[in-house]
Amino acid sequence: SQKIEQNSEALNIQEGKTATLTCNYTNYSPAYLQWYRQDPGRGPVFLLLIRENEKEKRKERLKVTFDTTLKQSLFHITASQPADSATYLCALPQSYNTDKLIFGTGTRLQVFP
Amino acid sequence: KAGVTQTPRYLIKTRGQQVTLSCSPISGHRSVSWYQQTPGQGLQFLFEYFSETQRNKGNFPGRFSGRQFSNSRSEMNVSTLELGDSALYLCASSSEGQGHTEAFFGQGTRLTVV
Repeated sequence: SQKIEQNSEALNIQEGKTATLTCNYTNYSPAYLQWYRQDPGRGPVFLLLIRENEKEKRKERLKVTFDTTLKQSLFHITASQPADSATYLCALPQSYNTDKLIFGTGTRLQVFP
Repeated sequence: KAGVTQTPRYLIKTRGQQVTLSCSPISGHRSVSWYQQTPGQGLQFLFEYFSETQRNKGNFPGRFSGRQFSNSRSEMNVSTLELGDSALYLCASSSEGQGHTEAFFGQGTRLTVV
């Protein structure tokens, strides 16, 4: 079955730099992939959805890429700020023709001033 | 527009008891999904309800059940609680259904089983 791999180690970067987070999946290429942000003790907040026919999607300082050959999505935050510190989760359908989402365990981002 | 509301926020129960959690989705949303989140396993899908029907189900034992009412509010029930059921339970609502559009999550119910 489909599995998602996100770097479980925290990513520490300096304010102003670009943060890049990785989401790898193991089996079939999903029709879409989503990214969420989660702060401690709170529910995830939707950030971006990218479909299989889209190579790249942007929203303000956020950029997501989707490479079906590499089975990978990259999530970039440019000009990062301490307020961007959170855990970032990727999610995609468990299998083809289902809407049942599976989530990665997330990568914790820490932006230092 | 009010967000997704989950009640209660915190709950402490004893092993063997049963518990009911409630989720009120965003007005107009017909899909409600439930997830269990633990530090080791991350977010695990429990089930999804759409227009009062269970549309998808995760790999959880039958002790976990749910339902959805005509006003789209949903409840989740866990019977015969085990220590391992301690987790953050999250519900998410969306207008079309899981995955097609963004999902709006509630704050979650923190369940502790002692």
